[in-house]
Amino acid sequence: DAGITQSPRHKVTETGTPVTLRCHQTENHRYMYWYRQDPGHGLRLIHYSYGVKDTDKGEVSDGYSVSRSKTEDFLLTLESATSSQTSVYFCAISPGGNTGELFFGEGSRLTVL
Amino acid sequence: DQQVKQNSPSLSVQEGRISILNCDYTNSMFDYFLWYKKYPAEGPTFLISISSIKDKNEDGRFTVFLNKSAKHLSLHIVPSQPGDSAVYFCAANFGNEKLTFGTGTRLTIIP
Repeated sequence: DAGITQSPRHKVTETGTPVTLRCHQTENHRYMYWYRQDPGHGLRLIHYSYGVKDTDKGEVSDGYSVSRSKTEDFLLTLESATSSQTSVYFCAISPGGNTGELFFGEGSRLTVL
Repeated sequence: DQQVKQNSPSLSVQEGRISILNCDYTNSMFDYFLWYKKYPAEGPTFLISISSIKDKNEDGRFTVFLNKSAKHLSLHIVPSQPGDSAVYFCAANFGNEKLTFGTGTRLTIIP
């Protein structure tokens, strides 16, 4: 199994509060991703990173920011959480190339009340 | 716009029979399609992939078929086993180091 750790695994917060989810990898892979999973929408890309300090937006990036100061860590921040951001968030990593296979973490369930 | 579509939210199949999961796409400029399997409270795990230059790829009980003229691919599981009960996602690699996922199909294998 790829070494990916997400924290926290579960979080309940209130509308308007800031939230940071952390993804840590031990594989030294170049690419890191944040997806969210919602019923009827599948997995949608929020942001991704192609190197330290190199990030770009995905299809549902509004309300989210990311940072990658080290190869192994990719942070997802909700500056002011809203109920629409209640979701399960998955971090994924990839060495790049070939089939484009991603390796996923176990997910972080976020509930915004 | 949904570039990758899985039109069946759920599918139930008797144990031992064939399960067929379908996926349609609109953008033909892909390098690979991948199938992922997801159990509750776990992350998705890679199952099988197919290159754009192939029309079939097989791995044990799992076979993926690609019909480029119809912009359609399917995953066949034979024989289906109870442990196959999960949500299955198809995903497209358009050559940009990102995967675009479908909405998923929940497969239930009936003992």
